[in-house]
Amino acid sequence: NSKVIQTPRYLVKGQGQKAKMRCIPEKGHPVVFWYQQNKNNEFKFLINFQNQEVLQQIDMTEKRFSAECPSNSPCSLEIQSSEAGDSALYLCASSDRNTGQLYFGEGSKLTVL
Amino acid sequence: GDSVTQTEGLVTLTEGLPVMLNCTYQTAYSTFLFWYVQHLNEAPKLLLKSSTDNKRTEHQGFHATLHKSSSSFHLQKSSAQLSDSALYYCALSGPNYNVLYFGSGTKLTVEP
Repeated sequence: NSKVIQTPRYLVKGQGQKAKMRCIPEKGHPVVFWYQQNKNNEFKFLINFQNQEVLQQIDMTEKRFSAECPSNSPCSLEIQSSEAGDSALYLCASSDRNTGQLYFGEGSKLTVL
Repeated sequence: GDSVTQTEGLVTLTEGLPVMLNCTYQTAYSTFLFWYVQHLNEAPKLLLKSSTDNKRTEHQGFHATLHKSSSSFHLQKSSAQLSDSALYYCALSGPNYNVLYFGSGTKLTVEP
């Protein structure tokens, strides 16, 4: 079973609504990633953190998405104003940085009506 | 920039036949290559990884050899099982903070 815990597993939002997903990374892993897996099963990197700081993010994330990984709290990814094209599976992953290997959660499936 | 190419989107096989899923990559850096497998409604999980040129790596009956000369990391298995039906992703570890760049994935369906 995955040790990266994501909640909720499913969420349904209307266009323009906020959508927030949470992730508890594997214990001891300082780096957290968010990926979007679209309906064609393609992965898109969104953002990653080391401890509480953003390491890298794509343009889309900067504009309509907000993400954080506060100390002693779950990481979160929030879409400020959902669009139909945001419907996807959002995968959180964590890494110990030494091996390059990512450990994924089961994802939060967002449906924007 | 870094990229990974998987040429087969869908592969359908009969149980017992060999599996070969292609993966080629492009990078300016020395890095890790990975194969991840994602079963339906499950988290993607690491299947294989390698950074060593021309060394075969094996796990759960699957194997792959990183060939830097041809920028390839093809996934193989001698005999497909029904339980191998899943999505398979080849991925490349980039130079920045271990971001993985994924290929477009191959959906493998194994039929009786």
